[in-house]
Formats: sequence, C-alpha cells, structure tokens
Amino acid sequence: AQSVTQLGSHVSVSEGALVLLRCNYSSSVPPYLFWYVQYPNQGLQLLLKYTSAATLVKGINGFEAEFKKSETSFHLTKPSAHMSDAAEYFCAVSDRGRSGNTGKLIFGQGTTLQVKP
Amino acid sequence: NAGVTQTPKFRVLKTGQSMTLLCAQDMNHEYMYWYRQDPGMGLRLIHYSVGEGTTAKGEVPDGYNVSRLKKQNFLLGLESAAPSQTSVYFCASSYSLGRGNQPQHFGDGTRLSIL
Repeated sequence: AQSVTQLGSHVSVSEGALVLLRCNYSSSVPPYLFWYVQYPNQGLQLLLKYTSAATLVKGINGFEAEFKKSETSFHLTKPSAHMSDAAEYFCAVSDRGRSGNTGKLIFGQGTTLQVKP
Repeated sequence: NAGVTQTPKFRVLKTGQSMTLLCAQDMNHEYMYWYRQDPGMGLRLIHYSVGEGTTAKGEVPDGYNVSRLKKQNFLLGLESAAPSQTSVYFCASSYSLGRGNQPQHFGDGTRLSIL
C-alpha cells in the first residue's frame, strides 16, 4: 500500500531564502508523485508531478522537486521565497492498488509555509 | 473554462437536516472524487466514481451518500447531518488515462457548518 509523510506541519522562512518542504513516500510499485498548493479559501492547485521520466521535475512559480528512489523522497524546493508563496502544500502519491487504476491519490498531512518579510 | 464547480460555497445546517452538495466538471473527466478537509488531517477521501453510474467508498464514507447519474456531475448527500460533519468539502476530477499519472483538478470547496 502507498503512503506519504510530510515532515514538519509548519515551515517558516524569510523572504528570499531557500524553501525546502519534505515529503517521503512508501510504495510497493513505482510511484507517481504530486505536489499541490492551497491558498487560503481556495482549492488545491497542481504544482508539479513525477511520472517516471526525469527525476528533477520543474513546476509552476519557480518550484521544483527531485525524486530520489534510494531515499524514497520527493522534496519540494524553491531557491528564493516570495511573500506570495505563503500557503499550504500537499504531497500526494497515486494509489495504484491491485484493483486497478482508479486515479485515487493519497495525500500527506500538509505543510503550512510562512514567509516573513 | 470553468473546470470544477462546487455548489454551494457556504452552508449552515442544523443537526439532523439533510442536504446535497453538487459538483460539476466541464473537462469530460471520467473520474470524480469527494474529499473532506479538517485541520491537521489533510484530505480524506469520502467517495469516488470511475465513471457514469458507478460509485465506490473511500476512506471515510459513513454518513454520506453519492450519485453520478451524469458524467459531468457528482453529488454528495448528507441524509442526517451531524456536528462531526462540519468540514470543508472538496470535489475533484481527473482523466482515466495513464494508469494513475493524471493529476486531479479541484473545485474551490464548500464550507459546511453543522450546529
């Protein structure tokens, strides 16, 4: 069975500093991995996804994530934080169970990113 | 392009009342999902559908029912609302291609309070 763990429910950085949001996964099959962002009072928006092509995935708004199979990790990074990056971030793994493809995702608990001026 | 539209955006109910949340998508997606989001618990899947006329239980289905009579619509019903069902509800949809590598597209949520 697949699962996702996001390390740190809250992360605080200064504007211009590196953003690092951690995600570790568990999967019995090659995983498909996603990062979503949720701004206040909005739904989730896709930032980027890993689907077994390049291990370094570039997304929107300057974010990227690196798939590391040996570490079962898919950490999200951004070189320089902007105030507008303040939001909640969710890592998710595709639930590729024996019952076939249902498109279901398993989400982590979320990490709230605070950006200080 | 509207994407995924949820109706209503806000609602306050009294315990025991019933209501239906509507989700509509205009992307011709085969798969649709209902989640609830509670503080510190991420998103939990309530029910989902892999096609018109089909539904299946997710992680937390108790107290909810769903129907998918048309491909573009997915309804979530609360027959007898309880305070524990106070939450933010999200609908999502996705394509069925690619064996699980398709992202889900989310609506803006319905904020439901049950007194």
